[in-house]
Amino acid sequence: DTAVSQTPKYLVTQMGNDKSIKCEQNLGHDTMYWYKQDSKKFLKIMFSYNNKELIINETVPNRFSPKSPDKAHLNLHINSLELGDSAVYFCASSQAGGRAEAFFGQGTRLTVV
Amino acid sequence: SQQGEEDPQALSIQEGENATMNCSYKTSINNLQWYRQNSGRGLVHLILIRSNEREKHSGRLRVTLDTSKKSSSLLITASRAADTASYFCATDASQAGTALIFGKGTTLSVSS
Repeated sequence: DTAVSQTPKYLVTQMGNDKSIKCEQNLGHDTMYWYKQDSKKFLKIMFSYNNKELIINETVPNRFSPKSPDKAHLNLHINSLELGDSAVYFCASSQAGGRAEAFFGQGTRLTVV
Repeated sequence: SQQGEEDPQALSIQEGENATMNCSYKTSINNLQWYRQNSGRGLVHLILIRSNEREKHSGRLRVTLDTSKKSSSLLITASRAADTASYFCATDASQAGTALIFGKGTTLSVSS
């Protein structure tokens, strides 16, 4: 069974569109994250959710909004997509935040054209 | 905000050789972790070392931590072609330790 799964794996869309990426974890973890990895492989923390409450929002444009319907899910909604949003987005989860190992999804490669 | 800095950025070695990657960070930490990322895949956790530990081993991996120098190293012994990947260090030095902050990574290429 996949521990952290995110869909879709690939997403190609036009500028200005709105899109969502879904993430689910079956590990019972209390913290979930979204990371953005750029073309130089730099991983930037976007959001951290602990027990359904937003803990970190690292200067991410408000076009990005995390939605957590329950502890096992953290979806990422993006409004008015821009070319610069093209990247690989990773969902991850852990128990007790950064004090334990994180499990990552396979990533969603977003291409905005 | 970025916490860790790995060096070198890229490393090319032959199979059987050892590979050493270094990581430096800026603020106090509770733990430091190393992850591997194969091309086109997600990150996989390798090892976690706590701030009160100096060295940790896992198979062919050896991690050291020097909190006085705010640095860590990852040694992969007897490398294999399958070790070809990017390696990242990550620290929990964020608000209330609620997220992992990653460095820029070292890309390791092992040729046979």
